[in-house]
Amino acid sequence: EIVLTQSPDFQSVTPKEKVTITCRASQNIGSSLHWYQQKPDQSPKLLIKFASQSISGVPSRFSGSGSGTDFTLTINSLEAEDAAAYYCHQSSSLPRTFGQGTKVEIK
Amino acid sequence: EVQLVESGGGLVQPGGSLRLSCAASGFTFANYWMTWVRQGPGKRLEWVANIKQDGGDQYYVDSVKGRFTISRDNAKNSLFLQMNSLRAEDTAVYYCVRGGGSVDCWGQGTLVTVSS
Repeated sequence: EIVLTQSPDFQSVTPKEKVTITCRASQNIGSSLHWYQQKPDQSPKLLIKFASQSISGVPSRFSGSGSGTDFTLTINSLEAEDAAAYYCHQSSSLPRTFGQGTKVEIK
Repeated sequence: EVQLVESGGGLVQPGGSLRLSCAASGFTFANYWMTWVRQGPGKRLEWVANIKQDGGDQYYVDSVKGRFTISRDNAKNSLFLQMNSLRAEDTAVYYCVRGGGSVDCWGQGTLVTVSS
């Protein structure tokens, strides 16, 4: 089973700051890494697919990078509505797995 | 508009059974892999099972193998999860999700509580 480890677990950020969340895979997963945003009491929402591919309707301040075992989600110029938990997810092999999540709080 | 609506959750005793359903609309259901994902209280998301477009292939996380069965009815645009021999650790919100890789649409979830 591929283990995904995110860092940090929690981040408190002021609006307009840049946020960087990393996800490390326990083995090479190529670009089969996706990012989700989950706001309180809501279902997760796909933000980025296959490491860096943007999703229609997702603000351009969200971007992804990386390949192999190390991946990054970047939120440029954080907005208040971005307060949420962020999860990475791999679809390289079965069972599919998720990271433990990173909670982003707005100061 | 793509919609996934789960139902069938509830309170069940350990060892009991539940059958979850997911009604899909707004897309050609038969063209997509479908997946169940769950999230226990205060826990990370956990992939549970997925099923190929024609229902011919199904895959499960080890912790539910032999107890859960995923199935689908393409004529009725419906996805199912039969859960038997339920345990306390199966307590979670269960999401019906479109796709088998980068899952792109999620239902609102249905809560399953396993407790005596």
